[in-house]
Amino acid sequence: GAGVSQSPSNKVTEKGKDVELRCDPISGHTALYWYRQSLGQGLEFLIYFQGNSAPDKSGLPSDRFSAERTGGSVSTLTIQRTQQEDSAVYLCASSYTGTGGYTFGSGTRLTVV
Amino acid sequence: DQQVKQNSPSLSVQEGRISILNCDYTNSMFDYFLWYKKYPAEGPTFLISISSIKDKNEDGRFTVFLNKSAKHLSLHIVPSQPGDSAVYFCAARRGTASKLTFGTGTRLQVTL
Repeated sequence: GAGVSQSPSNKVTEKGKDVELRCDPISGHTALYWYRQSLGQGLEFLIYFQGNSAPDKSGLPSDRFSAERTGGSVSTLTIQRTQQEDSAVYLCASSYTGTGGYTFGSGTRLTVV
Repeated sequence: DQQVKQNSPSLSVQEGRISILNCDYTNSMFDYFLWYKKYPAEGPTFLISISSIKDKNEDGRFTVFLNKSAKHLSLHIVPSQPGDSAVYFCAARRGTASKLTFGTGTRLQVTL
């Protein structure tokens, strides 16, 4: 597609439920990143996929968070047993080789009530 | 540990004047720096970047300056326009093909 597409754009969930966030990167981009922005905070790195290499999961805040990237394209970020502190905007980005600047999607605003 | 810091959460500048946004970093291994602009309800968009082998990079109204000895970079916007009102994020990277570390952002408001 022309840009990075994320769905849903907004998600309200009850505490304790699982959620899945989807990212469809720009076609041909081999690198894909997940970040999140909590209220009043900067962009916090979560996970990075580059081609067929093992993902860099060093930013995932707990084992409730996981992500996968199927076929080197679409990625899904899963948060299990959501907590209120998980409320944030989750941003996905992709880049051609992992160098240079990223192209971000518009994000998914997750609210845990 | 905040490795990239933007100490000014907000800045207000009159239209036509210069906007200067500052960023400090602590990791001397960072070798590539970028600025992103973010409008509400949109993802950040890439604005300008600079490699550590340079001290200045210019693109139209936007110039980024890098002072490696001070571990400081700045973004100059001149002349500032109302459409520049947004949140600006500084980001840094260590080596090629690695994740970006972002600052907390500075909200710029350009007033008429």
